[in-house]
Amino acid sequence: SAVISQKPSRDICQRGTSLTIQCQVDSQVTMMFWYRQQPGQSLTLIATANQGSEATYESGFVIDKFPISRPNLTFSTLTVSNMSPEDSSIYLCSVDKGGGEKLFFGSGTQLSVL
Amino acid sequence: GQNIDQPTEMTATEGAIVQINCTYQTSGFNGLFWYQQHAGEAPTFLSYNVLDGLEEKGRFSSFLSRSKGYSYLLLKELQMKDSASYLCAVKKAGGGNKLTFGTGTQLKVEL
Repeated sequence: SAVISQKPSRDICQRGTSLTIQCQVDSQVTMMFWYRQQPGQSLTLIATANQGSEATYESGFVIDKFPISRPNLTFSTLTVSNMSPEDSSIYLCSVDKGGGEKLFFGSGTQLSVL
Repeated sequence: GQNIDQPTEMTATEGAIVQINCTYQTSGFNGLFWYQQHAGEAPTFLSYNVLDGLEEKGRFSSFLSRSKGYSYLLLKELQMKDSASYLCAVKKAGGGNKLTFGTGTQLKVEL
């Protein structure tokens, strides 16, 4: 298994500001992913955080809006830039421990944008 | 692309059995997952199927038919704590280990 610490757990932000979410894993992992879960919806993959290279973004998500860092094999950050109320969502970090059979999720960041 | 369908919500009685269905369409398939998510919490892994057939794990079982693009999650001896959202997710061949999730089925267990 994996212990994933994600912070902040929740935040209320003003329109136009940015928030950086941190994800710390208790062991080295190959792949880290960032998901978004909008109210009442399922999870949508934003990007794959690659160690030592730029993140790989899914269709509909761009680096300018969601810059991601992955400085080492245990840590990643996701920034939600120039926020608008439409960005209000839960943001989840997840990791693949290898073997590819399942993902582990962090506890999520509940973001509300006013 | 991928299209994953599950019922939006279901209601069942404590002690009963419930089956949550999931159908998918994908160009290349490399496994199907079921996750449980309680309100306000992160999803937790329940089961994984990559070959046809039934995988049993305690009160929970999951079935896969690749030819039909169909899976179900079977919950036996339902308990009130089983009230949660159940997410079906598909891993695509050649897509690394990223998952595409269905919209989830909200299960309510009643007395």
